[in-house]
Amino acid sequence: EIVLTQSPGTLSLSPGERATLSCRASQSVSSSSLAWYQQTPGQAPRLLIYGASSRATGIPDRFSGSGSGTDFTLTISRLEPEDFAVYYCQQYGSAPYTFGQGTKLEIK
Amino acid sequence: QVQLVESGGGVVQPGTSLRLSCAASGFTFSNYGMHWVRQAPGKGLEWVAAIWRDGNTKSYADSVKGRFTISRDNSKNTLYLQMNSLRAEDTAVYYCASQVATGDWGQGTLVTVSS
Repeated sequence: EIVLTQSPGTLSLSPGERATLSCRASQSVSSSSLAWYQQTPGQAPRLLIYGASSRATGIPDRFSGSGSGTDFTLTISRLEPEDFAVYYCQQYGSAPYTFGQGTKLEIK
Repeated sequence: QVQLVESGGGVVQPGTSLRLSCAASGFTFSNYGMHWVRQAPGKGLEWVAAIWRDGNTKSYADSVKGRFTISRDNSKNTLYLQMNSLRAEDTAVYYCASQVATGDWGQGTLVTVSS
């Protein structure tokens, strides 16, 4: 089983700042099958990025994904108030299709 | 547009069974692999099970293997999760989702396992 470790656990930033979230895998993720999700309280997760770097439909271009192998990054270039949420990475290259434990992005 | 609507959640006692359903519409259901993902109260996301398009290939998390069964009926555009021998730690909101790159998720159904 591939274990995904997200860091930091909590990130405190202000609107307009840049956010960098990390997702590290215990073994290589095949075919860059890595996704990022955003979740706000009481809502289902929203897909942001798939294939490590492809933005999902309707996702603003301030969200970008990068990385390969075992190290992946989600970058939000300029934080908007609605971006403060919990973010999860998921690998779907080999079953079981595990999630990271999440990073909470909070307003400083 | 794409809709995934889960049903079948509720309050059950430990050791009992429950079957969840997920009704799909707005896309060609038989062309997509499907997943169940759960989220315990106040916790993170946990992938539970997946089924391939034809329904013959399935995969499970270790935490549910041997107790849960994923299935689908492509003629009814419906995904199922049969949950047996339920435990308190199975308490969660259960989401159905289409294959990852589509980004399509339901709103979830709450399963509470408590005596």
